[in-house]
Amino acid sequence: ETGVTQSPTHLIKTRGQQVTLRCSSQSGHNTVSWYQQALGQGPQFIFQYYREEENGRGNFPPRFSGLQFPNYSSELNVNALELDDSALYLCASSLEGRGKKETQYFGPGTRLLVL
Amino acid sequence: AQSVTQPDIHITVSEGASLELRCNYSYGATPYLFWYVQSPGQGLQLLLKYFSGDTLVQGIKGFEAEFKRSQSSFNLRKPSVHWSDAAEYFCAVGASFGNEKLTFGTGTRLTIIP
Repeated sequence: ETGVTQSPTHLIKTRGQQVTLRCSSQSGHNTVSWYQQALGQGPQFIFQYYREEENGRGNFPPRFSGLQFPNYSSELNVNALELDDSALYLCASSLEGRGKKETQYFGPGTRLLVL
Repeated sequence: AQSVTQPDIHITVSEGASLELRCNYSYGATPYLFWYVQSPGQGLQLLLKYFSGDTLVQGIKGFEAEFKRSQSSFNLRKPSVHWSDAAEYFCAVGASFGNEKLTFGTGTRLTIIP
């Protein structure tokens, strides 16, 4: 158990809809990263939030957006869902500071199916 | 740009046999290297990490990995596998400092036969 939780565990949406996924970071962590893991692939970095501001983004379109709240919980929002958005969405939290890399701890993921 | 290659998509090993999973990385500076394990339908669990220092790193569940800068490799090893080790294994690389992303390989699926 990493202390990182995600909700919901599973979700089914239809093409064109919008979805919000949630993540609760491990206690004391100030950074959250979101990853998309398509079936049979490794996780792909979507973006990272540090102290409520976006701090890096991968090769994902603007319809993927996020928020980080003062309690360091986080949301991933995806608009205009496409079939290819079907994947396992993982969030990872870490404690970053002083330019020093820290380990990211992953939650169990939310499996999204777009029909 | 950083990248990770896991050349073996699927490996089958007999229970009790030794295991080595290969990982090659590409990164311009000193990398931070990780191995994660993922059981079916689950998130990622950290097995071990290399930041600096001793190039042979010990992890959980009896796993170890060796960082070889000259070969740009970070292979994962276990002397004797157990049936419970069957899972997907991911190698990842990150920047040595700063809040940068992890780049993952495509994974190696490990099957254990009795």
